[in-house]
Amino acid sequence: QKEVEQNSGPLSVPEGAIASLNCTYSDRGSQSFFWYRQYSGKSPELIMFIYSNGDKEDGRFTAQLNKASQYVSLLIRDSQPSDSATYLCAVNTPFWSSGTYKYIFGTGTRLKVLA
Amino acid sequence: GAVVSQHPSWVICKSGTSVKIECRSLDFQATTMFWYRQFPKQSLMLMATSNEGSKATYEQGVEKDKFLINHASLTLSTLTVTSAHPEDSSFYICSAQTVGDYEQYFGPGTRLTVT
Repeated sequence: QKEVEQNSGPLSVPEGAIASLNCTYSDRGSQSFFWYRQYSGKSPELIMFIYSNGDKEDGRFTAQLNKASQYVSLLIRDSQPSDSATYLCAVNTPFWSSGTYKYIFGTGTRLKVLA
Repeated sequence: GAVVSQHPSWVICKSGTSVKIECRSLDFQATTMFWYRQFPKQSLMLMATSNEGSKATYEQGVEKDKFLINHASLTLSTLTVTSAHPEDSSFYICSAQTVGDYEQYFGPGTRLTVT
């Protein structure tokens, strides 16, 4: 059973529209949640993270977290063609044997913003 | 701040040889480093977690005798792919974390091609 699930897409939205990306996770002990953007052949780059239930906004991006439903989402407003990439959801799970925190990544959602 | 480098950025080697990839945290001390592998159109798969001065913890299914990880200092971890085979060709990405910090900082990745 996958621990972090995302729809692989592709999700196609017209330029200027809102793109909505979703992620569910299975471990209720997860404490923090990250959204990364990855362009083909490149390393992931952090868009934003969220720890608390509710919404967190940063520019055109809004992350939403609902721990009761084990659900986290990312909204991208005014989508641009340059936003076309794969978006990875990562859930931070305590790695108790060493006191560190490891990520579990979802499979990613490919977003296409059509000009 | 929080810059992680990897070297080399790409490497081509012959089947049966060994390849070493370096991961360095440039402006912070990384108590934990993570090594990921990513095959085309797939998500990041965690290979192992290493803490400075300790043996690495490998994920299930990852051969520790094939993928040797050394984390000798707070700024350097190395991954050595021993007796490489074409199926080891992949994108290898490291990340670094400081104790108590939820966030991981990713390196730019190393593209390995085994011929």
